[in-house]
Amino acid sequence: SQQGEEDPQALSIQEGENATMNCSYKTSINNLQWYRQNSGRGLVHLILIRSNEREKHSGRLRVTLDTSKKSSSLLITASRAADTASYFCATDVKSGGYQKVTFGIGTKLQVIP
Amino acid sequence: EAQVTQNPRYLITVTGKKLTVTCSQNMNHEYMSWYRQDPGLGLRQIYYSMNVEVTDKGDVPEGYKVSRKEKRNFPLILESPSPNQTSLYFCASSLISPSGSSYEQYFGPGTRLTVT
Repeated sequence: SQQGEEDPQALSIQEGENATMNCSYKTSINNLQWYRQNSGRGLVHLILIRSNEREKHSGRLRVTLDTSKKSSSLLITASRAADTASYFCATDVKSGGYQKVTFGIGTKLQVIP
Repeated sequence: EAQVTQNPRYLITVTGKKLTVTCSQNMNHEYMSWYRQDPGLGLRQIYYSMNVEVTDKGDVPEGYKVSRKEKRNFPLILESPSPNQTSLYFCASSLISPSGSSYEQYFGPGTRLTVT
């Protein structure tokens, strides 16, 4: 079963607007990561936030984490056409001494020039 | 250049013909993993490995095998491929923190497999 679920599944905005994507998960985590995927290509890591952190910034990206609600959000400010991609959250869960990294289904973002 | 390589990039095969997809990383990462990506289902983990000779099942391991004899290589083996294994496959690797948590994963370019 999917640990992380992104919302919305698809998002279309105008260039310059902000884009917000949400991720909910089910069990306690060590960290949560966001990745980006251009069509059919490998995923690229954007940002990692640890379970004891609440907010993290990287350039135009802002990630928040609310462990009490088991949710995270990714905000892309001043979006550009080049931000068009799918965005995935991934959670890192300790499972029987080993770790599993589980990805959500993703949010498909389209930024219209 | 730090990278994860996969071969082949594209493969069309027939049901039952054994195949291997290779994965290699040059970053000395302990953690390696295989995923399959299908429309509407996101990425699902097939197998992962915490280190040499240490592998474990992910969420969808049926029909797949892996081995980790060397740190840099993590091949994915389909002993008897079936059409429901038609998918886009990704290999990934990362470091592991002393507490066992993963750092960012580096992904390969993907292998598009079609089983007829």
